[in-house]
Amino acid sequence: DGGITQSPKYLFRKEGQNVTLSCEQNLNHDAMYWYRQDPGQGLRLIYYSQIVNDFQKGDIAEGYSVSREKKESFPLTVTSAQKNPTAFYLCASSRLTSSYNEQFFGPGTRLTVL
Amino acid sequence: GESVGLHLPTLSVQEGDNSIINCAYSNSASDYFIWYKQESGKGPQFIIDIRSNMDKRQGQRVTVLLNKTVKHLSLQIAATQPGDSAVYFCAEIFTGTASKLTFGTGTRLQVTL
Repeated sequence: DGGITQSPKYLFRKEGQNVTLSCEQNLNHDAMYWYRQDPGQGLRLIYYSQIVNDFQKGDIAEGYSVSREKKESFPLTVTSAQKNPTAFYLCASSRLTSSYNEQFFGPGTRLTVL
Repeated sequence: GESVGLHLPTLSVQEGDNSIINCAYSNSASDYFIWYKQESGKGPQFIIDIRSNMDKRQGQRVTVLLNKTVKHLSLQIAATQPGDSAVYFCAEIFTGTASKLTFGTGTRLQVTL
């Protein structure tokens, strides 16, 4: 099956701990994205990457970090500096051309801070 | 289930009726507008998109209307079915910003039997 996978589906973290969320795609897409979703709000962009070994901050990057060592993988680390990390995290990918390309979303990871 | 959409506006329609979901967007320079459907506990799924130089586009059972004068977007679902129950998001994109999507807050559609 082609698509985007995220793991784990549910993740629990103690305050003060860093935690890494996995995102893998086998669609051969160049661009990958991380979004955060809170109740009553739309998706907000955390980080995105258009090419391996390069990434840019989105609208709410503080307290998060990413890496893009492989085209297929774009892990997100939620650090202890993120003040309110409990949320639903969504990864997406798209082709990258000069115009708009549809973003395909993974199933999401729900992170809860205990 | 997931808590996404707890405080969202809700539209209730009877099975078989038509649904109209509305969205106001913010950037008059946006090139494309997209509607996504999100079921509980899942990632958003693409429904239909429309380019800014169009005012109407039809898909299978869905129609998107774009009014650039008032920066308004709507999604019409014909003959609504129980499987249409979900949260619907509009998104806009200005391709000059490296394909960054800006999402609306969403509307929950509840289909009653």
